[in-house]
Amino acid sequence: EVQLVESGGGLVQPGGSLRLSCAASGFTFSSYSMNWVRQAPGKGLEWVSYISSSSSTIYYADSVKGRFTISRDNAKNSLYLQMNSLRAEDTAVYYCARDLSPMDVWGKGTTVTVSS
Amino acid sequence: QSVLTQPPSVSGAPGQRVTISCTGSSSNIGAGYDVHWYQQLPGTAPKLLIYGNSNRPSGVPDRFSGSKSGTSASLAITGLQAEDEADYYCQSYDSSLRGVFGGGTKLTVL
Repeated sequence: EVQLVESGGGLVQPGGSLRLSCAASGFTFSSYSMNWVRQAPGKGLEWVSYISSSSSTIYYADSVKGRFTISRDNAKNSLYLQMNSLRAEDTAVYYCARDLSPMDVWGKGTTVTVSS
Repeated sequence: QSVLTQPPSVSGAPGQRVTISCTGSSSNIGAGYDVHWYQQLPGTAPKLLIYGNSNRPSGVPDRFSGSKSGTSASLAITGLQAEDEADYYCQSYDSSLRGVFGGGTKLTVL
């Protein structure tokens, strides 16, 4: 079964850091680009970051550029999002999603709350 | 403010047909990039509903259909059912902003 499972969310103070992980299974992870998408409470979906299958191409939304870093380890079938200098407006459910056009497989999400 | 514009809400009675619009610009939909649609049931992750403007993944009923013209796209749902009540999002690629979503449309089945 094709599956994505996010982990690493939690409560963090403003200015703090958090590292999210996404474990992939049921498909050849190294053949697919991956994304992080977030959803603030009661709001819509916001694309956060993209990484190509070989990590050669990386994109970020302007809202996280310079603060977040996407990476992957194809040997471990894992995707990561290092989040630094966190702000209250980063509070959201973070989803990892396979591919970009379209995002055809989604995880269930992990919740990040930035609050003092 | 989302790059792709959707109506905040639509509604319809069981059995009726509803449409949800998604309006972009010359840097995304108008540039020829595909439009995809996702369904998000309450409390769950988004699920791919329509890809490549008008294609349905396996398992999606043919009551759901998509189309694209110029800088806009539409999702149509016929034979509305109670279980269709959900949030619907369009998504495309933008030459500057990369991955872009619509603001989402809440479908209420009356």
